[in-house]
Amino acid sequence: DSGVTQTPKHLITATGQRVTLRCSPRSGDLSVYWYQQSLDQGLQFLIQYYNGEERAKGNILERFSAQQFPDLHSELNLSSLELGDSALYFCASSLGHEQFFGPGTRLTVL
Amino acid sequence: GQNIDQPTEMTATEGAIVQINCTYQTSGFNGLFWYQQHAGEAPTFLSYNVLDGLEEKGRFSSFLSRSKGYSYLLLKELQMKDSASYLCAVRDVENTDKLIFGTGTRLQVFP
Repeated sequence: DSGVTQTPKHLITATGQRVTLRCSPRSGDLSVYWYQQSLDQGLQFLIQYYNGEERAKGNILERFSAQQFPDLHSELNLSSLELGDSALYFCASSLGHEQFFGPGTRLTVL
Repeated sequence: GQNIDQPTEMTATEGAIVQINCTYQTSGFNGLFWYQQHAGEAPTFLSYNVLDGLEEKGRFSSFLSRSKGYSYLLLKELQMKDSASYLCAVRDVENTDKLIFGTGTRLQVFP
C-alpha cells in the first residue's frame, strides 16, 4: 500500500459524458501527478500539481482538466468522453524524487 | 524529441539472472527510474540513478551511463513473483518532476 488513494476503482460510462477522478496523496506529499495508461501503452504523463498550483503539463487533452485543492487532494475531470479515453488513470504523489502511485481508476467508455 | 526504448518482452528461468536494457534520448536529463508493475496494478518504485554507475538494492541492481544514454536493470535469483512489467522512466528537466516512461518490458519467469 503506497498511501495514495484513488476513487473510484472502476468507472463505466458512455461517450459524450463527463467524469471526475479523485486522488488523495500520501500525508505530507505536496506534489500530485496524473498519468494515463492505455492498453499495451506506456504511462503517459498528463499533469502535475505542486501545493495547489500547476507545475508541469504533458500531452493532456483540452477536454481534460485537473486541480489540486487546499487539502492537497486532486481531481481529474474528463469531459466529452470518447472510446479512446478508456484507460487506467493513475495518480502519484511525491515529496522528493520518488513517486508513489495509487491503485488507479479503470475507466471504460462504451 | 523524447524517446525511451526497452525490449517489449523477455523470458527467463527461476533462479537465473536477467538484464533489462533501456536507452533514452531526451532533451534533458535529471535522473532515471525503474518501476515494477504487475498487470492491472500500480507501478512500484525499484531504483533511481542520477550519477553514472551501479546502484545495488538486494536482488535488484541498476546501472546508468549518461554519456551513452543507457541504463539497465539487473535482477538476480529470479523468482516467479518477479514476472511483471519493468518500466524505465527519465526525469528530463530540472525543477520539474515530470517522468517520461518507456512502454515497459514484460518479463515472464518460468519454473
